[in-house]
Amino acid sequence: DGGITQSPKYLFRKEGQNVTLSCEQNLNHDAMYWYRQDPGQGLRLIYYSQIVNDFQKGDIAEGYSVSREKKESFPLTVTSAQKNPTAFYLCASTGGGTGELFFGEGSRLTVL
Amino acid sequence: AQSVTQPDIHITVSEGASLELRCNYSYGATPYLFWYVQSPGQGLQLLLKYFSGDTLVQGIKGFEAEFKRSQSSFNLRKPSVHWSDAAEYFCAVGNDMRFGAGTRLTVKP
Repeated sequence: DGGITQSPKYLFRKEGQNVTLSCEQNLNHDAMYWYRQDPGQGLRLIYYSQIVNDFQKGDIAEGYSVSREKKESFPLTVTSAQKNPTAFYLCASTGGGTGELFFGEGSRLTVL
Repeated sequence: AQSVTQPDIHITVSEGASLELRCNYSYGATPYLFWYVQSPGQGLQLLLKYFSGDTLVQGIKGFEAEFKRSQSSFNLRKPSVHWSDAAEYFCAVGNDMRFGAGTRLTVKP
């Protein structure tokens, strides 16, 4: 079945550690996105990529990094520079000209 | 800077009443426009979208939205709200898919 897989679902990290969240899709979508969802703030765009080997900063890119070496994969690294990393992270993709975003189930990161 | 604004954080309506949720955007040109709904504990579901053409678009679950270029708005409407419509609603805009902060809808019996 086609879809987006995010892993891990839950992750605990100590302060000062980097952590990488995985996002893989088998929908053959060109565009992929990372969002952070906090209560009352909606989905805030971290990074997006519309083609392999290219990505753009969103509204809250500071303290995060991404790569897009393969069409299927768009991992997000939460670095120690991110001041408030505890959050729910959503990955999404879109393609085929429909505009509809397909979302993963999310990864909940807790910094201890 | 590009932005999406949903002015109403929380709206309460009675079951059977009409509903309008507001969305305003600031983009250089007319962007793609979307409305998504997220029920408690669930993922996001696309309600409707606007790319071009007729400015009144129909979506699922009886929702519709109207694009008004002069007001940079894309407001979501439903003539008669059902209790199951209680959820959070998000407007999204553009190829970069920026979302508004969301409007939480409560439905009174």
